[in-house]
Amino acid sequence: DIQMTQSPSSLSAAVGDRVTITCRASQGIRDALAWYQQKPGKAPKRLIYGVSTLQSGVPSRFSGSGSGTEFTLTISSLQPEDFATYYCLQHNNYPPLTFGGGTKVEIK
Amino acid sequence: QVQLVQSGAEVRMPGASVKVSCKASGYTFTSYDINWVRQATGQGLEWMGWMNTNSGNRGYAQKFQGRITMTRNTSISTAYMELYSLRSEDTAMYYCARVWGSADVWGQGTSVTVSS
Repeated sequence: DIQMTQSPSSLSAAVGDRVTITCRASQGIRDALAWYQQKPGKAPKRLIYGVSTLQSGVPSRFSGSGSGTEFTLTISSLQPEDFATYYCLQHNNYPPLTFGGGTKVEIK
Repeated sequence: QVQLVQSGAEVRMPGASVKVSCKASGYTFTSYDINWVRQATGQGLEWMGWMNTNSGNRGYAQKFQGRITMTRNTSISTAYMELYSLRSEDTAMYYCARVWGSADVWGQGTSVTVSS
């Protein structure tokens, strides 16, 4: 099965900062990569799918990029409501689905 | 609107089983797979398995093989996940998710606590 390595596992940032989170796949996954945001006590919410397509209603400060085995989620200007945990998900050759380990974004 | 509504919190003794339901609305139930994902407190997301709601075909993560069954009732647009021989490590929040490519819609989660 494909493994997803997400980094960093946590970060501290201030409102207005640019934040970058990376996921590396153990083998090429084409464009089968999505990003999720999860807040405490809530279900994950899809932000981006197909590497870079923004989910309807998601602010444009979120963006995704990458190809092959390395992918990035960028928040261009961190807002108070963005403090949460973020996960990548690969679905190449589904099933299975494979999640990254998560990145907790905390307030500096 | 499209939504998945799960059954309520459960408490079970070790060795018991639990069955969680996931009722779909706002879309054609049999057009999408349903997957199950769990999350222990403070931990990451763990994929448990999938079901094709049209054919009934299903598959499970190796970790749960022999201890899990996923079913569905298309007449009421509901998917089910049953986990057997529960142990304390199964205490977690369990989510169903609609999948076409990635998972786009999630249930609200069902808390399962395993404790004597």
